[in-house]
Amino acid sequence: DQQVKQNSPSLSVQEGRISILNCDYTNSMFDYFLWYKKYPAEGPTFLISISSIKDKNEDGRFTVFLNKSAKHLSLHIVPSQPGDSAVYFCAATHPGNTGKLIFGQGTTLQVKP
Amino acid sequence: DADVTQTPRNRITKTGKRIMLECSQTKGHDRMYWYRQDPGLGLRLIYYSFDVKDINKGEISDGYSVSRQAQAKFSLSLESAIPNQTALYFCATSDFYYNEQFFGPGTRLTVL
Repeated sequence: DQQVKQNSPSLSVQEGRISILNCDYTNSMFDYFLWYKKYPAEGPTFLISISSIKDKNEDGRFTVFLNKSAKHLSLHIVPSQPGDSAVYFCAATHPGNTGKLIFGQGTTLQVKP
Repeated sequence: DADVTQTPRNRITKTGKRIMLECSQTKGHDRMYWYRQDPGLGLRLIYYSFDVKDINKGEISDGYSVSRQAQAKFSLSLESAIPNQTALYFCATSDFYYNEQFFGPGTRLTVL
């Protein structure tokens, strides 16, 4: 049972345009969500997070939106840069999960110059 | 220097061999995790440890074992490797108070 789903395996965007990566979840207990970025031959690195008490969190070019009623979150990258090309994972957790993260399958973003 | 290190970075082995993957961290975190990544499946938790005396199974622990030798060291063993254990393996750490986990660079394991 995949509790966190990223239904788009890949996304291609032109440099300078907006990239929107989507993530859906099924467990209504999740109260904290994270996005990680992964380059080839490297481990995932933390990008941005959001608590369920918020519906938006912004950090520079990266904004995460949370729609609790739809159990959906999205990561917006504006403007997209070639260096953003990577695999993006969303993850979720809740207090009863004792520090464990549940990851989605990942979306590969390609930003074309 | 990297905060979370993994050795080896790459390993090719044969079916039936015993393999140990090692993880060390200098972040001072109590919590450590082992994940595997497979194409299309994301990161799946194998084992986790919240302190030296606390070891817990994750969602895919069968065929694996772990040892927490010290706060800074957490090893993953495959007692008898099989080809479907071919994957990328990541170690991660986290602090008690925060949800963010910090990952090592990964070990690419191939079981022939």
